[in-house]
Amino acid sequence: AQTVTQSQPEMSVQEAETVTLSCTYDTSESDYYLFWYKQPPSRQMILVIRQEAYKQQNATENRFSVNFQKAAKSFSLKISDSQLGDAAMYFCAYRSARNSGYALNFGKGTSLLVTP
Amino acid sequence: GAVVSQHPSWVICKSGTSVKIECRSLDFQATTMFWYRQFPKQSLMLMATSNEGSKATYEQGVEKDKFLINHASLTLSTLTVTSAHPEDSSFYICSARTGTSGPYNEQFFGPGTRLTVL
Repeated sequence: AQTVTQSQPEMSVQEAETVTLSCTYDTSESDYYLFWYKQPPSRQMILVIRQEAYKQQNATENRFSVNFQKAAKSFSLKISDSQLGDAAMYFCAYRSARNSGYALNFGKGTSLLVTP
Repeated sequence: GAVVSQHPSWVICKSGTSVKIECRSLDFQATTMFWYRQFPKQSLMLMATSNEGSKATYEQGVEKDKFLINHASLTLSTLTVTSAHPEDSSFYICSARTGTSGPYNEQFFGPGTRLTVL
């Protein structure tokens, strides 16, 4: 089974600064998808960014970008120009590309605090 | 974007009673719905996957007879917690997959239901 590890239970960043959240995963598959989800205090899960494993180019979405290192099985999230609204739990997630039900396998999450 | 609703948003019940949680896809047809459980300050744990018109597939360690899942239509799945006990108190989240073509087959999440069993 695939495991997703987020080694930072909590992170803190000042407003307007940049922060990187780490995520590593373990899989024997060659084709898969990786996601970062944000869960604010409302607990609504929000998709932040996604990456296809076969794509070498790192995904970017406005202030959010990833550093995808397939050989190292690493998928970190960089948040630039941090805003107070970025404060939330962030979950890294893995999904197999095979028709295995399409379920997401989540890491334990990183709580991000943004200070003024 | 696609919207998924859950009802109720929170429920308090007495030990031994059953509680039903509904998950609806409001503007799309969901071929697959997922039920997750989240304890405070913890991650989402997949409980089961349900496909419309067929029996749900439960993850290892999840009691099928306790957590009854029904996916009777392409827009509605229900989770019934039978004979609830305090240890069943948790946050339950559903998600739905559109089943359309494309590499991501993105899942859309409901807002969750907080269950408290007294």
